[in-house]
Amino acid sequence: QSALTQPASVSGSPGQSITISCTATTSEVGTSDLVSWYQHHPGKAPKLIIYEATEGPSGVSNRFSASKSGNTASLTISGLQAEDEADYYCCSSAISTTFVFGSGTKVTVL
Amino acid sequence: DVRLVESGGGLVKPGGSLRVSCEASGLTFSAYGMSWVRQAPGKGLEWVSFISSSSGRLYYAESVRGRFTISRDNANSSLFLHMSSLRAEDTAVYYCVPTNSFAWSFDYWGQGTLVTVSS
Repeated sequence: QSALTQPASVSGSPGQSITISCTATTSEVGTSDLVSWYQHHPGKAPKLIIYEATEGPSGVSNRFSASKSGNTASLTISGLQAEDEADYYCCSSAISTTFVFGSGTKVTVL
Repeated sequence: DVRLVESGGGLVKPGGSLRVSCEASGLTFSAYGMSWVRQAPGKGLEWVSFISSSSGRLYYAESVRGRFTISRDNANSSLFLHMSSLRAEDTAVYYCVPTNSFAWSFDYWGQGTLVTVSS
């Protein structure tokens, strides 16, 4: 069982916005601001879309945004597109556990 | 462009050993910490191990500590994971991932190599 809990699935229609939550179940992981988010199309290489909780790497669509409040980090996808259908994972770095991934969320575009 | 090519995966019996490798290009390999991350069939991503740029710091997930050893060869831009006492639950695609030591993020990913542990 991951120390970071995500909803198993989230869905939305094209053009809508959806938000994926990532909640830490331990305070050690929850206090870290070193949260990153990854998009993974099955069979392909995962892709970094957010780092340091809110920052987007160059080249990543600005339709992806993120925030963090307390023990919960959130990823929002705006203007949902068919190509956004994928699995999304949060990841946090904490001193003793080093890295822990969230349980993953399957995004479906209706 | 950054290119990461993992190799060495295959079928191994429970209790056996295997070494997977990764060759990196398009980045200053010696400046990056490196990690192995795996994904078991139908499961999520799981961080396995980290090695600092100079090999001075080595970290392992509890699930593999004492069985897996990470190492690197900066001269040849290569990363290795030696796996022993393999179990069925180690079956996964193993990804070699450059690790940003400031943001603690995994900035680039390859296609991975599949390790199957089965009798």
